[in-house]
Amino acid sequence: DAKTTQPTSMDCAEGRAANLPCNHSTISGNEYVYWYRQIHSQGPQYIIHGLKNNETNEMASLIITEDRKSSTLILPHATLRDTAVYYCIVRVSNDYKLSFGAGTTVTVRA
Amino acid sequence: NAGVMQNPRHLVRRRGQEARLRCSPMKGHSHVYWYRQLPEEGLKFMVYLQKENIIDESGMPKERFSAEFPKEGPSILRIQQVVRGDSAAYFCASSPQDQGVYGYTFGSGTRLTVV
Repeated sequence: DAKTTQPTSMDCAEGRAANLPCNHSTISGNEYVYWYRQIHSQGPQYIIHGLKNNETNEMASLIITEDRKSSTLILPHATLRDTAVYYCIVRVSNDYKLSFGAGTTVTVRA
Repeated sequence: NAGVMQNPRHLVRRRGQEARLRCSPMKGHSHVYWYRQLPEEGLKFMVYLQKENIIDESGMPKERFSAEFPKEGPSILRIQQVVRGDSAAYFCASSPQDQGVYGYTFGSGTRLTVV
């Protein structure tokens, strides 16, 4: 799997959008970008994934650059419950392993 | 529709004892994965099982650790003769037969403390 680079931590104001960057400059053509988050004392939770097009679901939006070397996860209206560690992972679609790095610790402040 | 169920949530064992961690996958899921999260670290893959088969145990320590997923009942991660370094959160995930690109569902984990 391609390696990803994320900032260690970031703060966000409640109600504002949170933009979480991820660099994956060595991503291969058949690798997807996945985002998971881990709220304290819980298991990781799937957020969203994409290959090359931008994606949106009820939780977040994923913006992938045209060269696919980086992406941004957008939480449109952050709430206190979005405080968590966010992991950006790249993997091929049929790979059953997830390789978690250190992730980004996001703290949403009132 | 219950999610992935892990028990116990917290487990305390003395050095040298055995630890048994249980994982019941989501209904309809036949694939189970175990991950370990050491303090202040990310999750690391341990083992991938299907019913009655170990598919990939490349992440399992060579000694003292074993896993099974019997035809009936939950998957079990067994740690014999625990040491303080085994203290960690152990997470189980499950997926349906054709995982596709949608990843899988994690349980809430078992926090093992070795004293």
